[in-house]
Amino acid sequence: DTGVSQDPRHKITKRGQNVTFRCDPISEHNRLYWYRQTLGQGPEFLTYFQNEAQLEKSRLLSDRFSAERPKGSFSTLEIQRTEQGDSAMYLCASSSLGFSGNTIYFGEGSWLTVV
Amino acid sequence: GQQLNQSPQSMFIQEGEDVSMNCTSSSIFNTWLWYKQDPGEGPVLLIALYKAGELTSNGRLTAQFGITRKDSFLNISASIPSDVGIYFCAGLKERGSTLGRLYFGRGTQLTVWP
Repeated sequence: DTGVSQDPRHKITKRGQNVTFRCDPISEHNRLYWYRQTLGQGPEFLTYFQNEAQLEKSRLLSDRFSAERPKGSFSTLEIQRTEQGDSAMYLCASSSLGFSGNTIYFGEGSWLTVV
Repeated sequence: GQQLNQSPQSMFIQEGEDVSMNCTSSSIFNTWLWYKQDPGEGPVLLIALYKAGELTSNGRLTAQFGITRKDSFLNISASIPSDVGIYFCAGLKERGSTLGRLYFGRGTQLTVWP
């Protein structure tokens, strides 16, 4: 499978615990994105990397959220001291700016339920 | 964050009918992307549009990038049951402080009756 891969697909955690999601982008894609989606809504932007540099962060990304892409390949998204409001699907996407333009492909998502 | 205005919110059609949905914004976008999402899954890219006025097809799907760069539409011809799902439009500015940010519509829920 050469698509965007996310792990774990589902996570149930108790409020106050830390969770980490991993994303493996499509090979050779230098851009990587994290989005969050709640039921009935479109995905909302969280952050964006070009290679290992985190170039943009949404105000949605509170101090409890941190994302890294240390070697410009896979990325992790950590949520510390989870709250019930963090329950959502966390989507990773990747792209590479081609001749035509920027085409962004999403992974299957990681569902988080905070109880 | 900024949302695109996507309509209709939902559609109930019979198999074989054609479908049309659109997306508008007050802002200019340089790329328009259309995705389909099934329950519990991530969005799957259907069509990408990069130039104003561009008309692109992918099988029974046709999408256009509006001339003003503030809108796009998606048509599905001869719908089949597997077309059921939520369709999202998304716009990318690729300029300035929002370089990497996709803006999404709220989605169109499509139901196809056999």
